[in-house]
Amino acid sequence: SQWGEENLQALSIQEGEDVTMNCSYKTYTTVVHWYRQDSGRGPALIILIRSNEREKRSGRLRATLDTSSQSSSLSITAAQCEDTAVYFCATDAGASSSFSKLVFGQGTSLSVVP
Amino acid sequence: GPKVLQIPSHQIIDMGQMVTLNCDPVSNHLYFYWYKQILGQQMEFLVNFYNGKVMEKSKLFKDQFSVERPDGSYFTLKIQPTALEDSAVYFCASSLLGGPYEQYFGPGTRLTVL
Repeated sequence: SQWGEENLQALSIQEGEDVTMNCSYKTYTTVVHWYRQDSGRGPALIILIRSNEREKRSGRLRATLDTSSQSSSLSITAAQCEDTAVYFCATDAGASSSFSKLVFGQGTSLSVVP
Repeated sequence: GPKVLQIPSHQIIDMGQMVTLNCDPVSNHLYFYWYKQILGQQMEFLVNFYNGKVMEKSKLFKDQFSVERPDGSYFTLKIQPTALEDSAVYFCASSLLGGPYEQYFGPGTRLTVL
């Protein structure tokens, strides 16, 4: 899991396996962003899930959101080597609904090996 | 996906000097952001900017920091004077809409203050 003072999590799996990364958050949010960050590059948005969605899919990715427990998860089915990256969840803690301020978790470093 | 560009990719300067980080946001986006990431730590929000104004800033956005986007040119983050603790990777992001919507990040500028 990632959030708060937790250190960066590290996972290593084999190609073809499924993996789930968890995220818990402290502040109210209407949306959870999931980003992946490759070494030396900026974060790339992979899934955005809103509070009125319990689940969202994009290809081999599946995100869930449970607002009652303030948690979200990102699953990757049949992981491939190119899925190796750091995955972040982020909530929106903007002072108003018109302006955004993303609050990032520590991230999960996923390594997929052949 | 939409591309955000950042110039330069690396900058090394002496403490006390001024530095300007440049961001070329997605062309039709209206909302702009800066985030700071110290090596090994989570990314943290600095400031959001809309219609020529700062809408919200964090405690990390010290008095020595300023942002502007004159006449649709680069969205810039200026630090004057710089301090050792300003060493980090600075990410620019932009979004079409304010609030809880997709933000697209640039590749970052690695700033080293000596």
